[in-house]
Amino acid sequence: DVKVTQSSRYLVKRTGEKVFLECVQDMDHENMFWYRQDPGLGLRLIYFSYDVKMKEKGDIPEGYSVSREKKERFSLILESASTNQTSMYLCASSPGGDYGYTFGSGTRLTVV
Amino acid sequence: LAKTTQPISMDSYEGQEVNITCSHNNIATNDYITWYQQFPSQGPRFIIQGYKTKVTNEVASLFIPADRKSSTLSLPRVSLSDTAVYYCLVGQTVGGYNKLIFGAGTRLAVHP
Repeated sequence: DVKVTQSSRYLVKRTGEKVFLECVQDMDHENMFWYRQDPGLGLRLIYFSYDVKMKEKGDIPEGYSVSREKKERFSLILESASTNQTSMYLCASSPGGDYGYTFGSGTRLTVV
Repeated sequence: LAKTTQPISMDSYEGQEVNITCSHNNIATNDYITWYQQFPSQGPRFIIQGYKTKVTNEVASLFIPADRKSSTLSLPRVSLSDTAVYYCLVGQTVGGYNKLIFGAGTRLAVHP
């Protein structure tokens, strides 16, 4: 089975900190995605990547950046964490297009 | 971009068949329809995908009429463990790439 592993299950950070959320997939998938999920708002796409060193903005990229130096790893960076970035962050990967996404278990980030 | 509409919530009882219908009036010719299931504090999990007519796997069936403007996810004989949020998605093509746009989903509650 494809595994998508997110480095932390729970994270608490202070306002203004630089935060790194790591995601690793083990099936050589081309495509990787970062979503955030908030009550009442569903899953919203932050950034996605279709190749190493390639990135595309999703629907809510403001306040975030990403890095994909290796195919298996896709990092989400909060340059200066704010309380409105408290959320569940979900990473996903897929072999191509929009078929058969596999999600990680999520990182619940709290910014205080 | 094709948007999906599905009921916000549904209730059922153990042993019953549950049908969740999703509308996608603007589906594109090459779009597939995909359903995901999400339990609390977990990432969404792929259930089933189809293009037209009927698809069945060990978990569910997916019915798609000829005009493809809607689809119905059918869960046979649900149990308490089927309580989850179910998302209907249609492939979104933006700038030549495909990405998934999640709606609010249908919150299914199965009662004893």
